[in-house]
Parts: sequence; C-alpha cells; structure tokens
Amino acid sequence: DQQVKQNSPSLSVQEGRISILNCDYTNSMFDYFLWYKKYPAEGPTFLISISSIKDKNEDGRFTVFLNKSAKHLSLHIVPSQPGDSAVYFCAASVRNNAGNMLTFGGGTRLMVKP
Amino acid sequence: DTAVSQTPKYLVTQMGNDKSIKCEQNLGHDTMYWYKQDSKKFLKIMFSYNNKELIINETVPNRFSPKSPDKAHLNLHINSLELGDSAVYFCASSQVPGGRQPQHFGDGTRLSIL
Repeated sequence: DQQVKQNSPSLSVQEGRISILNCDYTNSMFDYFLWYKKYPAEGPTFLISISSIKDKNEDGRFTVFLNKSAKHLSLHIVPSQPGDSAVYFCAASVRNNAGNMLTFGGGTRLMVKP
Repeated sequence: DTAVSQTPKYLVTQMGNDKSIKCEQNLGHDTMYWYKQDSKKFLKIMFSYNNKELIINETVPNRFSPKSPDKAHLNLHINSLELGDSAVYFCASSQVPGGRQPQHFGDGTRLSIL
C-alpha cells in the first residue's frame, strides 16, 4: 500500500517551458514533504522541501505547492532546462517515536527537450 | 570529496552467498540509513542508525544485519542471498534523525543475484 504516489511515470517538456510534477499522498499524518532529483547511476539529491504549515515554498526556478485538503503537492520548474532531465522523487515524513522516516513515491522521469 | 561513499558500486553473486556493502560519510552527520530501491523503483527505508544506535528497522529479514562501528560508517551484511535481494541499495546520512533534514545519498550499490 503506497502512501506516496507519483502517478505519472514520465513527463516530456520543451526547454524554456514549465514542468509540473505531481505527487499525491494518503497518510494525513504526513507533515513534511521533500523533493529529490536523481540522475542515472547517482544517488538522489535534495531539491526543495515544504512544511505542512505552508502552502508554497520557492527556491529559484523551483516552487513546491502543497494542497493539504487534496493531499496533493506539486513541483514547478520554470523555465525548464535540459540539465533538469532526471527522475524526481517526492517524499513525505511523519513524526513518530522512532524518528521521522521518509516515505518515497515511485518517481517521475522528466525529459526536457532542447 | 565524495560526501557519502558506498563500495562496491556493483555486486554480482550467486544465491546463497554472503556479502557486505560498506558506507562511509564525511559530513560529520549523526544519522545514517540504508534504503532499497526495488525493480519498481520505489525507495524504501530499511534501517536507520543514530550515533551508532539502531533507531529504525523496517521489517527487514534478519538475513540483513547492519553494523555501525562509528558514526561515519554504516555497513550492511547480507547472509544467504536470495533472488529477491536483487536491487539497488542506497546509503544516506543526515545531521539529525528522520525526514526534517535533507538526507545525503551515496551513488548506490547495484546487487545482482544469479
């Protein structure tokens, strides 16, 4: 039972346009969300995060939006660049006694065409 | 300087063998993790250690035994390897336990069981 879902396995976008990657979650206890970017044969690298007390967080070309009522978050990349081509993972955490585990989605492969 | 390094990068072995994967981080972090990325590309937490103490063990078969000789190292030993153990294993570290701090990942160890 996947608590974090990325329903689009892949997305293709033209350079300079906006990329929108989506993520849905089912566990209402999740209170912190992160996006990671992964290139082939490398480990995931942290991109941007958002706490559940916010609905938007922006860092340069990257903006994450959180809609708690819909249990949905999205990552916007504007403008998209060829170097953004990678797999993007959404992750969520919930506070518990054992510490805050990260639960990952299955990833979306973004391809930015020149 | 590689922040989180894992060895080996590739591991091909036969069913029933015992193997180890090593991980070292030079970030001065207190917490280290092992993740498994299966064929469906989901990243799943296996173990988490904080200051050499086990804090998360996510229903992983006891054939998998993590060992943390010091804060900078978290090794993974796997006994009696099975076909289903074929996956990419990622080591990660963070300053404090859990999902609030970005986790830094190694480049992964691709384990293939023949």
